[in-house]
Amino acid sequence: KNQVEQSPQSLIILEGKNCTLQCNYTVSPFSNLRWYKQDTGRGPVSLTIMTFSENTKSNGRYTATLDADTKQSSLHITASQLSDSASYICVVSSNSGGYQKVTFGTGTKLQVIP
Amino acid sequence: EPEVTQTPSHQVTQMGQEVILRCVPISNHLYFYWYRQILGQKVEFLVSFYNNEISEKSEIFDDQFSVERPDGSNFTLKIRSTKLEDSAMYFCASKGSGETQYFGPGTRLLVL
Repeated sequence: KNQVEQSPQSLIILEGKNCTLQCNYTVSPFSNLRWYKQDTGRGPVSLTIMTFSENTKSNGRYTATLDADTKQSSLHITASQLSDSASYICVVSSNSGGYQKVTFGTGTKLQVIP
Repeated sequence: EPEVTQTPSHQVTQMGQEVILRCVPISNHLYFYWYRQILGQKVEFLVSFYNNEISEKSEIFDDQFSVERPDGSNFTLKIRSTKLEDSAMYFCASKGSGETQYFGPGTRLLVL
């Protein structure tokens, strides 16, 4: 069964500090992995998307890594800001027979405090 | 920047009533999706739609649910006879030729 597990479930950090969120998956066949940011009560917004051959991808203060061998990904946030407070969701897609299957992780709830 | 829009933003309905949730995907996108998120839980895939037909659906998407693209711009999710457990945030998403799905702001459905 396709699964995406994220850790930690929740995290509180001080403004300006860095943090790293983890994602482990068992989705097969693997197509791509995306990290989304979801503010409370809003739709997810894409941060990064990575395919099998990509090890790292940055988007401003967000840097995602992917190890396709161990089926792990991380999202590193540098110099956190109060506006980074949100849920961060790891989403893994598989493509089978032309159909895209999407499996969402449970998310990590990040709170950045002054 | 083009966005996916959804209406209404909130809907309250009585159990057993029919509801239609509406979405306007990004105009040149061809792949459309519905997801739901029960309060405090993770986002769950409901259905994907391409070329005027369902391409994939989850076990959640039973006979009570249907999707339609009634014209060139709207994409709707109909729940025929709502149940209490249908209360959730419903997200529409669309995708073009790339891999990224763009999500709408969601419709919060409350079934009483």
